[in-house]
Amino acid sequence: DGGITQSPKYLFRKEGQNVTLSCEQNLNHDAMYWYRQDPGQGLRLIYYSQIVNDFQKGDIAEGYSVSREKKESFPLTVTSAQKNPTAFYLCASSMGWGAGELFFGEGSRLTVL
Amino acid sequence: GEDVEQSLFLSVREGDSSVINCTYTDSSSTYLYWYKQEPGAGLQLLTYIFSNMDMKQDQRLTVLLNKKDKHLSLRIADTQTGDSAIYFCAETVNSGNTPLVFGKGTRLSVIA
Repeated sequence: DGGITQSPKYLFRKEGQNVTLSCEQNLNHDAMYWYRQDPGQGLRLIYYSQIVNDFQKGDIAEGYSVSREKKESFPLTVTSAQKNPTAFYLCASSMGWGAGELFFGEGSRLTVL
Repeated sequence: GEDVEQSLFLSVREGDSSVINCTYTDSSSTYLYWYKQEPGAGLQLLTYIFSNMDMKQDQRLTVLLNKKDKHLSLRIADTQTGDSAIYFCAETVNSGNTPLVFGKGTRLSVIA
């Protein structure tokens, strides 16, 4: 079955540590996205990639980094510079840039202890 | 900048109709979307409407679009407990040259 897979589903991190969240899709989609979700805040865009080897900052990119070396993979690193990293992180993809139908993964919940 | 506004909470009784409202800002939005998020999961596209339409019906779902007021609504008929979720309104902006803009989501609670 085609889909988008995020791992791990739950992750605990000590302050000062970097952590990488995995996002893999087998839908052959060109565009991929990372969102952060906090209660009452809705979805906030962290980074997005229109095509392999290219990515742009979203609204809240500070303290995060990404790479897009392969079409199917768009990992997100939460660095120690991110002041409040505890959140639910959602990865999504779309067939092409500008497509309104986004396919979402099941999310990764990061808790910083 | 672009903004999509939704009320945060809605509570209805099972069997009643639910109406979730949304206002958007980009008058050139070509498509408007409703996404559903069940607890602990990602979002799924529920339905969408093209900007030249006033209404779209899909089984229990009815989407109404008022372009003059930039108002979008989602009506769920015969609401069931399985409809309990967060519903996000989203709009295309800049003719699709930037990512979708999402509202903050409306949490629908269905009381049995």
